[in-house]
Amino acid sequence: DSGVTQTPKHLITATGQRVTLRCSPRSGDLSVYWYQQSLDQGLQFLIQYYNGEERAKGNILERFSAQQFPDLHSELNLSSLELGDSALYFCASSVGNGYTFGSGTRLTVV
Amino acid sequence: AQSVTQLGSHVSVSEGALVLLRCNYSSSVPPYLFWYVQYPNQGLQLLLKYTTGATLVKGINGFEAEFKKSETSFHLTKPSAHMSDAAEYFCAVSDRLGGGSNYKLTFGKGTLLTVNP
Repeated sequence: DSGVTQTPKHLITATGQRVTLRCSPRSGDLSVYWYQQSLDQGLQFLIQYYNGEERAKGNILERFSAQQFPDLHSELNLSSLELGDSALYFCASSVGNGYTFGSGTRLTVV
Repeated sequence: AQSVTQLGSHVSVSEGALVLLRCNYSSSVPPYLFWYVQYPNQGLQLLLKYTTGATLVKGINGFEAEFKKSETSFHLTKPSAHMSDAAEYFCAVSDRLGGGSNYKLTFGKGTLLTVNP
């Protein structure tokens, strides 16, 4: 157990739908990063939150959004889903310069 | 912008043989470098990292990597492969963000290691 908790582990949904992925960072970690892993794009950085504030954006689509709550858990919202959004979504938390990844949420869009 | 190139998307070795996974990076600032391992249907586990100091870094499971600035490389090695080493390996470089002490990672495409009995 890495200490970073992601739910759900698996999600199957239809095109056009909206889903929410949840991440709880390790105790004491203020930063949460979201990454997407797909066969064609590899591991891509999506977005980072630090203590509730958006800190950096990567290759995140406009249909995707995220937030970090006062208890430091984070949610990644994916809307108007397309087949190409099927991927593994990881979150990682860090304090200083160490990263710990969760086990991921596998999203399948059908 | 930083980038990582992993040479060889698939490496196959025999059990007991040397493992060498290659990683080259591009960075305009002194990099922080990482190797992660991903077993099937699992998340990413940190093997080792280079931040500052000694250029030869030892990690878990007998792996080590050497930071060579002149070659912009951070190759991962293990003297003797075990069947349990079969997994996908990712090299990553951290990118300084605009303030704060936290950094996003830029990953290579990954190298799938197969270990043959």
